[in-house]
Amino acid sequence: EPEVTQTPSHQVTQMGQEVILRCVPISNHLYFYWYRQILGQKVEFLVSFYNNEISEKSEIFDDQFSVERPDGSNFTLKIRSTKLEDSAMYFCASRMDRGFSYEQYFGPGTRLTVT
Amino acid sequence: AQKVTQAQTEISVVEKEDVTLDCVYETRDTTYYLFWYKQPPSGELVFLIRRNSFDEQNEISGRYSWNFQKSTSSFNFTITASQVVDSAVYFCALSEVQTGANNLFFGTGTRLTVIP
Repeated sequence: EPEVTQTPSHQVTQMGQEVILRCVPISNHLYFYWYRQILGQKVEFLVSFYNNEISEKSEIFDDQFSVERPDGSNFTLKIRSTKLEDSAMYFCASRMDRGFSYEQYFGPGTRLTVT
Repeated sequence: AQKVTQAQTEISVVEKEDVTLDCVYETRDTTYYLFWYKQPPSGELVFLIRRNSFDEQNEISGRYSWNFQKSTSSFNFTITASQVVDSAVYFCALSEVQTGANNLFFGTGTRLTVIP
């Protein structure tokens, strides 16, 4: 069964460093998402991406964040200068189309630890 | 604005008991989807069910059942004959169709502990 994959599973970085989190969505999916979950809290929407551009973003997704689909398979989330409060689990998700019946499939997550 | 409320932060039950997890939502959209996800200790998000706003039929899947009531804006989840493997955090989520990208808005989750 096709699945969303994410790498790395755990990333440790120092404050101020840039990180890139990688996701490979399911191959025939067209909508891509990033969510984050601070430890012990709810899952929060960051950004959605469709047709090679951002479709929607939340207020969390400020200028420190960017997304890219550099080739036909990868979908990346870049944090330019990490802060301690960026420590969280980051989930990638993909969806076949914007049709009503299509749910989002989540990857296993990347745990980002900023020290 | 959309909102999902899961008032129960933590619930503990003894194995084989039934347990109901509550979810109340707010939305201005007439067309929306409701979801339940399970997050076991390993951390991944496991999809359990999707319900659209036009379908108020209750659903049963094995030991799981869902009660959707638009009149009270609730989408409650019941586990019958709970098992230790049901121990997890359960999230209710809402997706508003009119926003286009169908982003998911999650509740704060309910941590269920099933005691053997």
